[in-house]
Parts: sequence; C-alpha cells; structure tokens
Amino acid sequence: EAQVTQNPRYLITVTGKKLTVTCSQNMNHEYMSWYRQDPGLGLRQIYYSMNVEVTDKGDVPEGYKVSRKEKRNFPLILESPSPNQTSLYFCASRRTEGVTNEKLFFGSGTQLSVL
Amino acid sequence: AQRVTQPEKLLSVFKGAPVELKCNYSYSGSPELFWYVQYSRQRLQLLLRHISRESIKGFTADLNKGETSFHLKKPFAQEEDSAMYYCALRTQGGKLIFGQGTELSVKP
Repeated sequence: EAQVTQNPRYLITVTGKKLTVTCSQNMNHEYMSWYRQDPGLGLRQIYYSMNVEVTDKGDVPEGYKVSRKEKRNFPLILESPSPNQTSLYFCASRRTEGVTNEKLFFGSGTQLSVL
Repeated sequence: AQRVTQPEKLLSVFKGAPVELKCNYSYSGSPELFWYVQYSRQRLQLLLRHISRESIKGFTADLNKGETSFHLKKPFAQEEDSAMYYCALRTQGGKLIFGQGTELSVKP
C-alpha cells in the first residue's frame, strides 16, 4: 500500500530533550516536506526536500533540522524542544515529474507536546 | 506577498443546505489551486484541483482570477462532509502554501 508513515503518533517530552520524528514513504517520491498544524494558523511548512541531499527552509524552520540521506526517509529533528513547538506535525511527499506531481500524500500526523 | 486566506474558521450548516467554503489568494504569477480535506482521525488528502475542473463527492471549485478566489461549493451538504478543509496554492517554484483551514460542520 502506497503511504507516508510517521512515527511516533504521540509524543510527550520535556524542554531541551532532543527528539526525532521519523517519516518514510514507499512511493519513490522525490519531494518530501514537513508541516506543523496549529489552531487558527493552518498548515505551515517547516522544511522541504526536492531530492536526496537537497533540503530547504520553509516558512517556520527555526528550532528544527532535517536530513535527506535516502530518498524514502525525511526525519525531523528537534535538538532542544521548547513548549512553543507543541503542535501537530505532518510529513508529506509527492513526485516532482509527471501529470500527478501536484498531489501531496500526507502521513497520519504526530502530536507533540513539550512540557 | 504569497498568501492564501480562508476567512471562516468554522462553517455550520444543516444537512441538505448549500455550502460554500471561501478561499482567496494573493499571488503575482499563474497559480495552481487545490482543496485538501481532513476527516476526523484521518490524514489530509487531496479533494480537488482547479486544473482538472472535476467534481469530487459533489464538490466543485472554480478559479476566478479576477477576484483571486477559489471557493469550494456543494449544493446539498451531507453529514459525512463534516471535516477540516484547506485551500492551497502552488507557486510556479513548486512551493505549496496553505490557508488557515475551515472546519465544516453539517448538522442533521
């Protein structure tokens, strides 16, 4: 089944404790992206990657890191989480070529709470 | 500035009533517009895109470049339409910009 898989689904942590949210897709998509979803603000892009070893900042990259060593994986790293990073996070992927390249596939989301 | 605005945070209608979810955009280039939907406890998924001029689950959306709008419409709302709806714009550079989202609640 074609899908984007995020782990964990729920995470409660404390300020300053490094964490990683994993994202994996099995569709051989070149493009991957991370969003955070906050009430009243909608979806805001954190980082995106057009292909392996290529990453760029989105609209709200502060406090986050990403890496794209393999095509299928795009982990989101919070080196020193803070309470304002409490949010619902979505990973997404799509192709960059072809007629269906605009369709974004989303993961199920990761609810992060930073105490 | 590149921006997508959904002015309504919550839209509540009765079953069978017409529904229109508003979306306005600000973009100087040639936009590609989409509507994404998130049903309760499910992941976000593409509902429709303006280039296809399609009708999905009874929903349609027409791109109005003069008014810079891409409103989502359905003539008769169903309870299963209750969900969070996001309008999105894709720039010529490939960036996807989402609106703030509108929660649609269809009451029996």
